[in-house]
Amino acid sequence: DVKVTQSSRYLVKRTGEKVFLECVQDMDHENMFWYRQDPGLGLRLIYFSYDVKMKEKGDIPEGYSVSREKKERFSLILESASTNQTSMYLCASSLRTAGRGGYTFGSGTRLTVV
Amino acid sequence: KQEVTQIPAALSVPEGENLVLNCSFTDSAIYNLQWFRQDPGKGLTSLLLIQSSQREQTSGRLNASLDKSSGRSTLYIAASQPGDSATYLCAVRAQGGSEKLVFGKGTKLTVNP
Repeated sequence: DVKVTQSSRYLVKRTGEKVFLECVQDMDHENMFWYRQDPGLGLRLIYFSYDVKMKEKGDIPEGYSVSREKKERFSLILESASTNQTSMYLCASSLRTAGRGGYTFGSGTRLTVV
Repeated sequence: KQEVTQIPAALSVPEGENLVLNCSFTDSAIYNLQWFRQDPGKGLTSLLLIQSSQREQTSGRLNASLDKSSGRSTLYIAASQPGDSATYLCAVRAQGGSEKLVFGKGTKLTVNP
């Protein structure tokens, strides 16, 4: 069963900490994405990557960075966590060719910054 | 800029009812449209994917249609069950080189026993 795996379901971090959220996919997908989801705001794209070592800013990249050293792994980094980054974080992947399939999402990481 | 709207934001129905969820998008230049289900506190589960050349897709009690020219899609759920209670999201993948999905804000469905 193909899937996207996010390393943590729940995380609690302190303000100012550096936080790493990890995502791994086993489908050989070229594209990977990080979204955050907040009540009333829906899903908002933070960053995406269409190839190893490539990254593109999404709609809300401020306060975040990403790393993609291997095709199957895409990491989201909060350089200095703040309380307004408390949210549900969702990772997704897809094939580069749109006609060959849709997006597959992970189970999400609920991050609380205190 | 592509925008996706889902109406209604919430829907409550009795068990056994057939129902339709609506999704509209502003730019018809899309590769595909995808319907997802999300349970509280969980990730998104893909339900149906409709390519731009297709009119509909079916999976079990679910049927999704796409009218690209009018910018509309519907998700039809037959004989609803309490286990169908969840938030349903639609998303479009735009043409023109973008790799991104644009999401609606979802319809929260409650099916009452």
